[in-house]
Amino acid sequence: DAEITQSPRHKITETGRQVTLACHQTWNHNNMFWYRQDLGHGLRLIHYSYGVQDTNKGEVSDGYSVSRSNTEDLPLTLESAASSQTSVYFCASSESTLAGTTDTQYFGPGTRLTVL
Amino acid sequence: EDKVVQSPLSLVVHEGDTVTLNCSYEVTNFRSLLWYKQEKKAPTFLFMLTSSGIEKKSGRLSSILDKKELFSILNITATQTGDSAIYLCAGTNYGGSQGNLIFGKGTKLSVKP
Repeated sequence: DAEITQSPRHKITETGRQVTLACHQTWNHNNMFWYRQDLGHGLRLIHYSYGVQDTNKGEVSDGYSVSRSNTEDLPLTLESAASSQTSVYFCASSESTLAGTTDTQYFGPGTRLTVL
Repeated sequence: EDKVVQSPLSLVVHEGDTVTLNCSYEVTNFRSLLWYKQEKKAPTFLFMLTSSGIEKKSGRLSSILDKKELFSILNITATQTGDSAIYLCAGTNYGGSQGNLIFGKGTKLSVKP
């Protein structure tokens, strides 16, 4: 069955370290998204990609970067982790058709990141 | 700035009750409104609404969109403890960020036995 996976599921790191969260989908979806979820803020978009070599900044992109070298993967990198980046991170994907981008996104299981 | 507002933020009911969750939106070039259910982990898709007045139904859950008044409701009848979750509403728009979801903060529903 097609799916979207994230790794690691839990991560504890220290302030200043570089951290990369992995997202892998087997739906062959063109569109991939990264969100963070915090109490009181809901889900906020960090970065997104509409295809290979395409990346775009979302609402809360400062301190994060992504790269898209293939259809299946969109890794999220925290260049220098800060305590404010302690959060739950969700990856999602959606399909593009000839008619355009579809709106239904399918979410991965999430990564809980703690920055000490 | 585009925004989606959900109310109430939290709700406690007893099994068998009927609940209505609200979602209002201000989204430029509005395209669709989506509802998700989030239990302990990833949000799972419930409904996507694009047209006013057409009810979408799945079992005890139903939803409708009013594009004139810019809101949607999610109804759950005969609630069960398994309905306890955070319900998320999101809008999308046409344009450069087509397909991106603009989320509300969610409604936390607790169903007591």
